[in-house]
Formats: sequence, structure tokens, C-alpha cells
Amino acid sequence: DTGVSQNPRHKITKRGQNVTFRCDPISEHNRLYWYRQTLGQGPEFLTYFQNEAQLEKSRLLSDRFSAERPKGSFSTLEIQRTEQGDSAMYLCASSFHGVVYEQYFGPGTRLTVT
Amino acid sequence: AQTVTQSQPEMSVQEAETVTLSCTYDTSENNYYLFWYKQPPSRQMILVIRQEAYKQQNATENRFSVNFQKAAKSFSLKISDSQLGDTAMYFCAFMKHVETGANSKLTFGKGITLSVRP
Repeated sequence: DTGVSQNPRHKITKRGQNVTFRCDPISEHNRLYWYRQTLGQGPEFLTYFQNEAQLEKSRLLSDRFSAERPKGSFSTLEIQRTEQGDSAMYLCASSFHGVVYEQYFGPGTRLTVT
Repeated sequence: AQTVTQSQPEMSVQEAETVTLSCTYDTSENNYYLFWYKQPPSRQMILVIRQEAYKQQNATENRFSVNFQKAAKSFSLKISDSQLGDTAMYFCAFMKHVETGANSKLTFGKGITLSVRP
């Protein structure tokens, strides 16, 4: 296993369209996190899962955003009715419960809403 | 809520020299962890170094070391013998300690762009 992977790497969409991103964590990592990073800013927490359970959601995660992690493996993040303000890099990270410190990040999906 | 502040937007250093990146944070928590992450251009974020708040000894990882001042809520990163590959954005991050020992979310600063000049 070579690390956290995310697809697609880039996505250009028109305002109002729905988009879905996928994250594949490191095998056996039971925690999975989503962050959003806008230009010139640090990543901001969106939500995280332990196995298939979504344990916390940020207030940044409006009702247009939904995340799932079926069967506790890969995760999807869907944005409905995209807005220009959704343009950002969406980062996924995973970690193993019991190893407190390190979250391993994926390369991110860059979303551009035109 | 926790906040992390990196007030220097960018810095530049000559190759082989030493540079210090600053970070301050604010929290009411007593037990927490602090991190420096590196994000090279168009590449994924990787952990550089971490510090447990309950440890007085400053963390060191090869050319990277921190100066952790808990009372002042300051957490700076020193890079010695800077290399061209150190060119990247560096983020300071905070994680609250969770009693169960489980991982928790990271709160990041805005980051600093470090350029290493040949």
C-alpha cells in the first residue's frame, strides 16, 4: 500500500452541478478525515469517520455536503449544487486508532467551480 | 476552540543556513499535541515533527527541531542546514488530547512559504 489516494485529482464543474470525490485510505486505517484548503490558507476540518461511523462534522459542512464511508473502507464526499465558494483543495487523511499522532494525507482533489 | 497563528507569510533562507519559523496558539486545554507539517509544491502534506504538550523536552528529528514554550503558547520550528528540498509551505497544527487515546482533528495555521535559495 503506497498511501492515501484521492480521485479525481482535479475537477472543473459549473455552478449548480453536483460533484463527488473519492478517498482511499491506507489499508487498515480505521480513521478517515476530510479537510478543505483554500488558496493561501491552512486546511480546515470538515468531518471524520471511525470505520463507517461519521463521528464529527464541522459547521463548515453545510447541508449541500455529504460524506459517507460505507463498510469502513473508502470514503466519498459529495457536494450538491456547487457554488463558486466551494472552489478549494479537498484533502483526505487517514490514521490508525491507537497511534494517536499521525494523520497521513492524500494528494487532494482540486475543485474549480466556474 | 483552538486557534493557531502563523504571522509570517513567507521566508527565504540560503542553502545550508538555519531558519526559524514561528507559530503561536491559543487553547484552554492542558493536554494536547503540536505538529509541523510540510506541503511541497503540488505534493501532499507530510509530517515533519510533533510535540506532546506534557513533555518539557523539545522534539528533534534530524535537521528539524522545535522550541516549545508552553506558558507562552509558542511553538517554533528550526531547520538547520537548509536544503533545496525544504522549499515548501509549512503548517503549524494543534490537536486536542482525547482521553480514549483516539486520534482527533487537526487545527492548522495559515502556513508559511519557505524558499531555500541555492
